[in-house]
Amino acid sequence: ETGVTQTPRHLVMGMTNKKSLKCEQHLGHNAMYWYKQSAKKPLELMFVYNFKEQTENNSVPSRFSPECPNSSHLFLHLHTLQPEDSALYLCASSQDGEGFYGYTFGSGTRLTVV
Amino acid sequence: DAKTTQPPSMDCAEGRAANLPCNHSTISGNEYVYWYRQIHSQGPQYIIHGLKNNETNEMASLIITEDRKSSTLILPHATLRDTAVYYCIVFSGNTPLVFGKGTRLSVIA
Repeated sequence: ETGVTQTPRHLVMGMTNKKSLKCEQHLGHNAMYWYKQSAKKPLELMFVYNFKEQTENNSVPSRFSPECPNSSHLFLHLHTLQPEDSALYLCASSQDGEGFYGYTFGSGTRLTVV
Repeated sequence: DAKTTQPPSMDCAEGRAANLPCNHSTISGNEYVYWYRQIHSQGPQYIIHGLKNNETNEMASLIITEDRKSSTLILPHATLRDTAVYYCIVFSGNTPLVFGKGTRLSVIA
């Protein structure tokens, strides 16, 4: 365990379903991130939250909707996804928005859209 | 943030030192060199970072050239569990962490 917990670990969903990914950290960090890693591709940054405020949305389609109710929790709400959205979704946190002390990543949610 | 160039893959014999190179010729004065690794299907793990001095911790050593245009991550005694993709990232804190393709290190028994 890294201190960042992601649930579920695996998710299979149909294109018409609505589901949510959850990320939780108890490291006292104030910045949280969603990354997407498709097969054989580098990690792609999706969203950044700093002190609960979204500071970056990296041109992500609206079928992905993030929510950060407090500094310890981050959600990614999914609806009407496409098969190409199948990927490993990784959550990370850092002490502050600058991240000089390093990012701590969770183990990810492996999402399959059918 | 400056871009980095890493070899796509490397092999290392178990028990030997693994030396992973990284070129970052356009690095700016306020940018640090960070190394992360990603073991198969897990999240990346922070290893080490430095600005211009060599750094060592319990996981690895980081050697940065005097002109800061390149660096080497050294795993002193590689084990099978060190098999992973290693990412060299130049980072200033002004923008979030951006990952490239990294180097796939295979440690061979």
